[in-house]
Amino acid sequence: SAVISQKPSRDICQRGTSLTIQCQVDSQVTMMFWYRQQPGQSLTLIATANQGSEATYESGFVIDKFPISRPNLTFSTLTVSNMSPEDSSIYLCSVDSHYGYTFGSGTRLTVV
Amino acid sequence: SQQGEEDPQALSIQEGENATMNCSYKTSINNLQWYRQNSGRGLVHLILIRSNEREKHSGRLRVTLDTSKKSSSLLITASRAADTASYFCATEAYTGANSKLTFGKGITLSVRP
Repeated sequence: SAVISQKPSRDICQRGTSLTIQCQVDSQVTMMFWYRQQPGQSLTLIATANQGSEATYESGFVIDKFPISRPNLTFSTLTVSNMSPEDSSIYLCSVDSHYGYTFGSGTRLTVV
Repeated sequence: SQQGEEDPQALSIQEGENATMNCSYKTSINNLQWYRQNSGRGLVHLILIRSNEREKHSGRLRVTLDTSKKSSSLLITASRAADTASYFCATEAYTGANSKLTFGKGITLSVRP
C-alpha cells in the first residue's frame, strides 16, 4: 500500500493566519482526500482532490476557507485560511490503496 | 452525515480477554472497513469486508457483516495492552466514478495489563 508523508505534524497558530498542510505520496494516485477530525470526534471529509481539476468539496466546506492544490499525482496541499479557534482539529490526508485507505499521520492544529 | 454508528462508545477489558465492537449503518454500501487510531494520530487500516461477504479473518481480528441488518462487528481476540486505541468503522459507497468513505463516531478501547 501507499506511504504518505504529511507535514507539519502539529502547529500552534494565531487566529486570522493561514496554515498549509502538505501530503506527499510515494506512488501516483488519482484521488487524494482531506479530512478533518475535531477534538473527540470522528473524521469528516472536507474535499476530494483530483490532479488537474478543482477539488470537490463536501457540504459545509468551501474553497475560500480550505483551498486545495493538486499539482501532480503524488502531492497535495490543504490550506486552512483565516483561522479561528474553531478550526483547531486534526487534519488528515488519505489515498485509496485498493484494499482500504492509507492515511497520513495527521496534522494537529491548535488556533489561539 | 455520519453513516456508521459504533457501540459501545467505550470499552475497557483485561489483557487476554476478547473485545467485541459493533457498527450499524443506514444506507447501501459497497464495503465496510475498520480502522484503528492511536492517540489522535493517523488511521491504520485493519480490515475490509465487501458487501457480498459475511465474515473475514485477519490474524486476531474477525469481522462480520450482516447487510440485512446493516450491521458489522469487529472481534479482537486475546487482547493486548497495545490494542488500546480508538476504533472506527467506515462505509464505502461508490457515487458515479468516485467513492466516498464515511466514518462512524468511534469506540475507545482500553486494554488493562
